Amino acid sequence: GESVGLHLPTLSVQEGDNSIINCAYSNSASDYFIWYKQESGKGPQFIIDIRSNMDKRQGQRVTVLLNKTVKHLSLQIAATQPGDSAVYFCAEIPYSGAGSYQLTFGKGTKLSVIP
Amino acid sequence: ETGVTQSPTHLIKTRGQQVTLRCSSQSGHNTVSWYQQALGQGPQFIFQYYREEENGRGNFPPRFSGLQFPNYSSELNVNALELDDSALYLCASSPSTSSMAYNEQFFGPGTRLTVL
Repeated sequence: GESVGLHLPTLSVQEGDNSIINCAYSNSASDYFIWYKQESGKGPQFIIDIRSNMDKRQGQRVTVLLNKTVKHLSLQIAATQPGDSAVYFCAEIPYSGAGSYQLTFGKGTKLSVIP
Repeated sequence: ETGVTQSPTHLIKTRGQQVTLRCSSQSGHNTVSWYQQALGQGPQFIFQYYREEENGRGNFPPRFSGLQFPNYSSELNVNALELDDSALYLCASSPSTSSMAYNEQFFGPGTRLTVL
């Protein structure tokens, strides 16, 4: 499949360690923030989302933290596994009116897990 | 599997030609969004369709157009292709119960378009 990770920042972690992927967003009026995982040759896959009125949300092995003061979002993956290797994108939903909830994606981070 | 399918998988066209890409939504989803993803970049929103009507558009010229059909499948048409149109085109469907609701978007695998 094509390399979606070309020219992206890369994070390399040892299998079993925790990973932290960071993202700066641009629109302070955004209502939802979402993390997506994209493996080579596939479309983005939803991981977890958080609404702007929350600062933390936990899922299975993942935690998203939202700091609205500095417009920063992070994704923490516990006990990282080889299957977690992918490109990770944060996305925000700046409400664009007329009922359109378009996603605005960040640049992405390539996570490589070392066995 | 998300249930969203796209065709074709890969496509090669030349400058000036026209292309039509197709997307079948996941069952029960009435909202479809299209995104363009250049190599090494995040997806960029092109437009969204809700119940066969355009429901928002990103910063793309009019030569990018779309359709949504009564069965909620969708087409993306690009006229007068340019070299910079080479990208992965992603379709995402969501089960919006109204045009004002946010619901998770499920992405298809994409169509890789190469313009020579």
